[in-house]
Amino acid sequence: ILNVEQSPQSLHVQEGDSTNFTCSFPSSNFYALHWYRWETAKSPEALFVMTLNGDEKKKGQISATLNTKEGYSYLYIKGSQPEDSATYLCAFLIYNQGGKLIFGQGTELSVKP
Amino acid sequence: DSGVTQTPKHLITATGQRVTLRCSPRSGDLSVYWYQQSLDQGLQFLIHYYNGEERAKGNILERFSAQQFPDLHSELNLSSLELGDSALYFCASSVGAGSSTDTQYFGPGTRLTVL
Repeated sequence: ILNVEQSPQSLHVQEGDSTNFTCSFPSSNFYALHWYRWETAKSPEALFVMTLNGDEKKKGQISATLNTKEGYSYLYIKGSQPEDSATYLCAFLIYNQGGKLIFGQGTELSVKP
Repeated sequence: DSGVTQTPKHLITATGQRVTLRCSPRSGDLSVYWYQQSLDQGLQFLIHYYNGEERAKGNILERFSAQQFPDLHSELNLSSLELGDSALYFCASSVGAGSSTDTQYFGPGTRLTVL
């Protein structure tokens, strides 16, 4: 059974803090790693699609890195703002299985003003 | 707004009934994906269609079926509904057939409540 694990499960920080979370995935049959941001009462919003070992992607104050050999990805938020409060999901795309994404349980981030 | 539309937004029905959830992909997207989010569970992949053909299947129950029509919209049919089928059902779409660089864009979801 393929498992994608995210840690921590939840995180409470103060406005201005920088934070990071981890996504662990199987290192075999890797095709891509997706990051999503999911705000309450909305739908998951795509942040990054990462495919190559050593990939680094950035969108505003959010960045992500990828290590396919050891099976992990980090998501960093620099200078968190209250509007960054959301659940951050990672999802593993298996090679040769269509577009089947295996999602982790998410990291719930709460940023207090 | 991702450009993916889903109807209805909410659906309340009784056990044993049958419902149809509808999804229209973003303009130009050929793939449609269905996911289920149950209480205390992460997003679970159900099925993927590309240009009318089934491309991948997850742990979708036999009581559930889906199809993608020539105009690329998709329907997810859920029959003989049970209490445990209550969940948020998301549709997503992408340009390609699920390649490594394909981004999946999610719709607003349909919340199904089975009483």
